[in-house]
Amino acid sequence: DQQVKQNSPSLSVQEGRISILNCDYTNSMFDYFLWYKKYPAEGPTFLISISSIKDKNEDGRFTVFLNKSAKHLSLHIVPSQPGDSAVYFCAASARSGGSNYKLTFGKGTLLTVNP
Amino acid sequence: DAGVTQSPTHLIKTRGQQVTLRCSPKSGHDTVSWYQQALGQGPQFIFQYYEEEERQRGNFPDRFSGHQFPNYSSELNVNALLLGDSALYLCASSFTSEQYFGPGTRLTVT
Repeated sequence: DQQVKQNSPSLSVQEGRISILNCDYTNSMFDYFLWYKKYPAEGPTFLISISSIKDKNEDGRFTVFLNKSAKHLSLHIVPSQPGDSAVYFCAASARSGGSNYKLTFGKGTLLTVNP
Repeated sequence: DAGVTQSPTHLIKTRGQQVTLRCSPKSGHDTVSWYQQALGQGPQFIFQYYEEEERQRGNFPDRFSGHQFPNYSSELNVNALLLGDSALYLCASSFTSEQYFGPGTRLTVT
């Protein structure tokens, strides 16, 4: 049972344009969401997070939007740069449910930013 | 400040053998979690250690066990290895919220 779904295995965008990565979840207990970036031969690197009490969080070129009613979140990268090319994982946890640190991950989306 | 470190980087084992993977958390972190990432999948939670005890466990058999030491470092042990245990094993450390991952140990079971 895939509780966190990233339905697009890959995404290709031009340098300077916006990259939008999507994520859906099914578990209503999830109340904290994170995005990680992973390069080959490296561990996932934390990018940005959002609590369920917010609907938007911004950090530089990265913005995460949360739509609780739709159980959907998205990561926007503006402007996209070739160095952003990596696999992006969406992850979720149920903090108030006592599973404070257990992260449930999606399968990832491979982002390619073309020069 | 060193981040999360893991050893070894790569490991090849035979079915039925046992393996121990090691993790040193980021400085100031007291919680260590282990994840298994199979090819083409996202990381899957194995278990988490805090104050030298297993605090949470994912859907993994008892062949997977762990330990946390007083200096917060941790080991993951897998007994009776199966071909399906071949994966990247990731360690993550945390103090309050976000988990920081190490580079992983690539385990191949032949």
